[in-house]
Amino acid sequence: GAGVSQSPRYKVAKRGQDVALRCDPISGHVSLFWYQQALGQGPEFLTYFQNEAQLDKSGLPSDRFFAERPEGSVSTLKIQRTQQEDSAVYLCASSFSASYGYTFGSGTRLTVV
Amino acid sequence: DQQVKQNSPSLSVQEGRISILNCDYTNSMFDYFLWYKKYPAEGPTFLISISSIKDKNEDGRFTVFLNKSAKHLSLHIVPSQPGDSAVYFCAASARTNFGNEKLTFGTGTRLTIIP
Repeated sequence: GAGVSQSPRYKVAKRGQDVALRCDPISGHVSLFWYQQALGQGPEFLTYFQNEAQLDKSGLPSDRFFAERPEGSVSTLKIQRTQQEDSAVYLCASSFSASYGYTFGSGTRLTVV
Repeated sequence: DQQVKQNSPSLSVQEGRISILNCDYTNSMFDYFLWYKKYPAEGPTFLISISSIKDKNEDGRFTVFLNKSAKHLSLHIVPSQPGDSAVYFCAASARTNFGNEKLTFGTGTRLTIIP
């Protein structure tokens, strides 16, 4: 596609519910990144994929967060047993390489109530 | 521990004048610095970058200056236009042990251009 597509755009979850956020990267982009942006803050790194391999998951805040990219294209970020502090905008980005020149999607705004 | 700091949450500038956005960092391992622009309900859009081995990079109305000794960078926009009104994020890049470049962002500065 022309850009990085994320769905849903908005998600409201009850505390304790599991959620799945989807990212469709730009076709052919090898690298895929997930970032979390809390209100009033800058985006913070969560995890990095090179094709289907999750090479860096050092930013995932807890074991409730899980990301996958099984075929090296679409990626899903799953959050289990959501808590209020998980409320944030989740941004996906993709790139031809592992370098910084990547394109962000519009994000999914998650609100946990 | 905030490694990248943008100390001005907001800035208002008259149309046609110069906008100067500032950013400070603490980690000397950063090898690239970037500025992103963000409109509401959209993802950040890359604006301009500078390598740590340079002190200036210019692209049209946008110029980024890097002062490594002071660990400070700034973005100059001249002349400022109403479409420049957005939140600007400073970001710094460092290569990880896994081979990827990881961005560390500041908290952003909301720029408002007054017509």
